[in-house]
Amino acid sequence: ETGVTQTPRHLVMGMTNKKSLKCEQHLGHNAMYWYKQSAKKPLELMFVYNFKEQTENNSVPSRFSPECPNSSHLFLHLHTLQPEDSALYLCASSLPGVDSTYGYTFGSGTRLTVV
Amino acid sequence: GQQLNQSPQSMFIQEGEDVSMNCTSSSIFNTWLWYKQDPGEGPVLLIALYKAGELTSNGRLTAQFGITRKDSFLNISASIPSDVGIYFCAGYSRINSGGGADGLTFGKGTHLIIQP
Repeated sequence: ETGVTQTPRHLVMGMTNKKSLKCEQHLGHNAMYWYKQSAKKPLELMFVYNFKEQTENNSVPSRFSPECPNSSHLFLHLHTLQPEDSALYLCASSLPGVDSTYGYTFGSGTRLTVV
Repeated sequence: GQQLNQSPQSMFIQEGEDVSMNCTSSSIFNTWLWYKQDPGEGPVLLIALYKAGELTSNGRLTAQFGITRKDSFLNISASIPSDVGIYFCAGYSRINSGGGADGLTFGKGTHLIIQP
């Protein structure tokens, strides 16, 4: 247990489905992140939230919609995904700003398969 | 944006061998971090380095913050089967972060495979 919990761990969805990924942390962190990790590819930063405000959207398609209702929870809403969106989606949290140098804490990820 | 060049991309070694991997950049970093990702899990922080020239150990792992602040290496001594996984370097640069939360740049990872 890292202190960052992601649910579900595995998800299979059709291209017309709508689903949501959830991330929760109680580490007192104020920055939260979504990363996409495809097979044999580097970590791709998708979204950054700092004190509940989105500070970065890394050119992510609109079929991915993040939501951060408070500093402890982060969601990624999915709709009309494509098979190439199949990947491990990782959530991370950290202290904000320069204190992120103490490192990001990652969740175990959601393995998403789009069929 | 900034880039970290991590090498090697993958390593096939025998159990008991020592392992060495490194990250380099054309930019200066203020912090270097090394993470390990086990199959099916998220990355976990192994070692953090905050000062140029710093050498830090964590069990069989040793990492160093390059004196130029543009590189770092990670060594694993006497590898064992549970060392299998992907190792990521990450760097933080105050100059390019502007105090925002998106300060870490990650390398592409080194896949470590150990043959018994």
